[in-house]
This record gives sequence, C-alpha cells and structure tokens, in this order.
Amino acid sequence: DAGVTQSPTHLIKTRGQQVTLRCSPKSGHDTVSWYQQALGQGPQFIFQYYEEEERQRGNFPDRFSGHQFPNYSSELNVNALLLGDSALYLCASSPLAGNNGNTIYFGEGSWLTVV
Amino acid sequence: AQSVTQPDIHITVSEGASLELRCNYSYGATPYLFWYVQSPGQGLQLLLKYFSGDTLVQGIKGFEAEFKRSQSSFNLRKPSVHWSDAAEYFCAVAPGYSSASKIIFGSGTRLSIRP
Repeated sequence: DAGVTQSPTHLIKTRGQQVTLRCSPKSGHDTVSWYQQALGQGPQFIFQYYEEEERQRGNFPDRFSGHQFPNYSSELNVNALLLGDSALYLCASSPLAGNNGNTIYFGEGSWLTVV
Repeated sequence: AQSVTQPDIHITVSEGASLELRCNYSYGATPYLFWYVQSPGQGLQLLLKYFSGDTLVQGIKGFEAEFKRSQSSFNLRKPSVHWSDAAEYFCAVAPGYSSASKIIFGSGTRLSIRP
C-alpha cells in the first residue's frame, strides 16, 4: 500500500514563473492538506481540500491555489514565484472522519528552489 | 492564537545518554499534541500523540512525552539515544478534534548524537 506520493521531488524555477506540485493521498484517504516548510523552520499550513473544495486556509496569499480531483489527488499551484517561495512543500492526507493524529500521513515533499 | 515554542534550536547528546526535548504551547483549551521526526530529505513521521487521558504517552522508537497542563508543556524524552535518532524533531498542536484540522508546528529542534 503506497503512502502519500508527491511529484516532482525537486525542481528549480525562475522568479515570476508558475509551478504546479502534485500529491496522491494514501489509499482510503479523502482529505489532502498542503504545508510549506522553509529551511530551518517548521511546516506551515497552506490549505486543505476535501470533496474537491478548499475547506481551510492558512495565512498565504492568493498566489497559492489548489485543486482536488475526484480521485482525491491534489495539486498545489503557485503563481508569480518569489525567491521566498523556495521551500519544501509537504502534502498530508487523512480521512476526514478520522480523529486520531496517527491517521495523518505526510509525503516526502517537493523541494522548490526559486532563482 | 495557537502557537508552539521549541526553545532549543540544536541539542547534542552522547550516544546512550538520556534526552529531553522541550515544547511549550499556547492554546485556550486542551489541544491535541504531537511530536514528529524528520530525517534529512525525508517527510514527517509521527512519533506520538496526546489527545486525552493518561498524560504520559508512549510512542515509537522508545520515545515518550508527558503533557503538563499547568506548565503548558509537552516534552519529549528518551532514556537512551541511538545514533539513528539524529534528526529534526517537531512539536505540534492541532486545535480541532478531527485530524482534518490544520496542524501548527514549532520551529523544530535539531538533535545531533555524539559517538
């Protein structure tokens, strides 16, 4: 049983460009959350998707947007990239009905470098 | 607003020595508390969690943590560390009952092991 898978693992973009990161949740999970982890910091919550809708959002600008597909996979899009967007982007999946922390699974992340 | 503080940025302990990583949280009600570990280039792995009940919780890899409401703390301990424990450790809080609630992470403590 595959866990949470993310792609690509590493990518380099230029300031002003747009990027799309992808996440496939663990089998049986229908909720996907995205986190940004800057170097030397803890992950910060970006937003969460359930039933193809954004359910919660952290303190991130509208340049950060997402999408969830009927198969529960998700994309994170970042427009007009800034140098400060360089970070590890983590995807986490969980079943919405779950109420235990151990049902939250994290992927290994996508490293984004903006130059 | 909820927050998590990990006062120690970097700790070095000798292999076989005991370990305690500090964590303080700020939240009005009883939060859901977690400790995660992140090895270099890896995603996050849940070590243990506290939701309610016994304030001393056991986790994987021989770790334990104690919830102290009066001190708003949730310190992580291990009686004897192994070289493989070298990693980044994150304390986290989830304000909601459901695992779908966003997780707020501390800034992390980097653990180094002295041979």
